[in-house]
Amino acid sequence: AQSVTQLDSQVPVFEEAPVELRCNYSSSVSVYLFWYVQYPNQGLQLLLKYLSGSTLVKGINGFEAEFNKSQTSFHLRKPSVHISDTAEYFCAVSDREAAGNKLTFGGGTRVLVKP
Amino acid sequence: NAGVMQNPRHLVRRRGQEARLRCSPMKGHSHVYWYRQLPEEGLKFMVYLQKENIIDESGMPKERFSAEFPKEGPSILRIQQVVRGDSAAYFCASSPQTGVTDTQYFGPGTRLTVL
Repeated sequence: AQSVTQLDSQVPVFEEAPVELRCNYSSSVSVYLFWYVQYPNQGLQLLLKYLSGSTLVKGINGFEAEFNKSQTSFHLRKPSVHISDTAEYFCAVSDREAAGNKLTFGGGTRVLVKP
Repeated sequence: NAGVMQNPRHLVRRRGQEARLRCSPMKGHSHVYWYRQLPEEGLKFMVYLQKENIIDESGMPKERFSAEFPKEGPSILRIQQVVRGDSAAYFCASSPQTGVTDTQYFGPGTRLTVL
């Protein structure tokens, strides 16, 4: 079984400032890692995913995340945020060995970008 | 290529009624996942289906809930005798048939309110 903890439920940040969203996971098996974004009243959109290889993953909209196996973390960063980045962000994992690709999500982090 | 379609977008039911939620996956996708998002929480996996088969229903409540993905037509999540605790957003996701690392594409969700 897996679990995902997003340490910050809300993150206020000023426009053009950097932001980091923290994600830690716990799992007895190897996992794939994902970050999704949810805009108000919409479904989830994939920002980026880590499957293998380089531990620094670049995604859409200028986001990147770094996989740290020893700390079981997958923190998301953006060097300069825009108003349009206001949304809820979800970290998720899936079991590499399982049939299918069901996702286990963290509780989410609401990002509010202020002008 | 149209995205994942869900309908209705909003559904209001009284306690004891039945709720039917429909999900049409993206064209060419034969894997469907259902997730539930309770207020102020992250998404929780419910069930994973392929055409005419339930692969993993480990997240489904044992009673009142059922899901199907027929050979023709959309996937259906059915909730019988709804209770107030069923009020939530229900998201469907689909992925292509090629492998476990494929991205899941999410629909906009159905927001169920039980009065």
